[in-house]
Amino acid sequence: SQTIHQWPATLVQPVGSPLSLECTVEGTSNPNLYWYRQAAGRGLQLLFYSVGIGQISSEVPQNLSASRPQDRQFILSSKKLLLSDSGFYLCAWGLAGSDTQYFGPGTRLTVL
Amino acid sequence: AQRVTQPEKLLSVFKGAPVELKCNYSYSGSPELFWYVQYSRQRLQLLLRHISRESIKGFTADLNKGETSFHLKKPFAQEEDSAMYYCALSGNNAGNMLTFGGGTRLMVKP
Repeated sequence: SQTIHQWPATLVQPVGSPLSLECTVEGTSNPNLYWYRQAAGRGLQLLFYSVGIGQISSEVPQNLSASRPQDRQFILSSKKLLLSDSGFYLCAWGLAGSDTQYFGPGTRLTVL
Repeated sequence: AQRVTQPEKLLSVFKGAPVELKCNYSYSGSPELFWYVQYSRQRLQLLLRHISRESIKGFTADLNKGETSFHLKKPFAQEEDSAMYYCALSGNNAGNMLTFGGGTRLMVKP
């Protein structure tokens, strides 16, 4: 069966430090992959999505970037974190052509 | 542009009472609508999708294109229904992207 992993589960970082959050999927090939941010009172905001290796689409301009170095690996990065980057980050996957998405456990990021 | 609005951030009802979580959308084409749920300490997961026309855990949702709504309903709320509920829309896009509403926290009191 398919599973999705995210790590770390929680992270506390100082302003200006770099960021790397990792998401991996098992049990499927060539999935669509997504990064969301869940901010308090603001719902889920799609940050990036990818339909294949090296193919990244950004939905909102911001301080973050994403990469997909392998078929089932999706990385969210930042060179210098801002206070406003604090939030709960969710990775999700879906089959190509399907609207159903399956979510990971999330990473709670606190920028101090 | 597509948009999903959930007007209530918090909805509190007593056990056994009917519950309706509102969702309105804006989309120029023919959308697919979903409800996702996140129980305490669990992952966000799909609850139901309009195209399936199914009832999950006693919940139903009907797509009303005239009112551009997809409200989630249950006739008798249970305490275990307490969770965060998100309405989502998928338009015709290559990446099968979802646009989520702001979410409604449902609290069912005993």
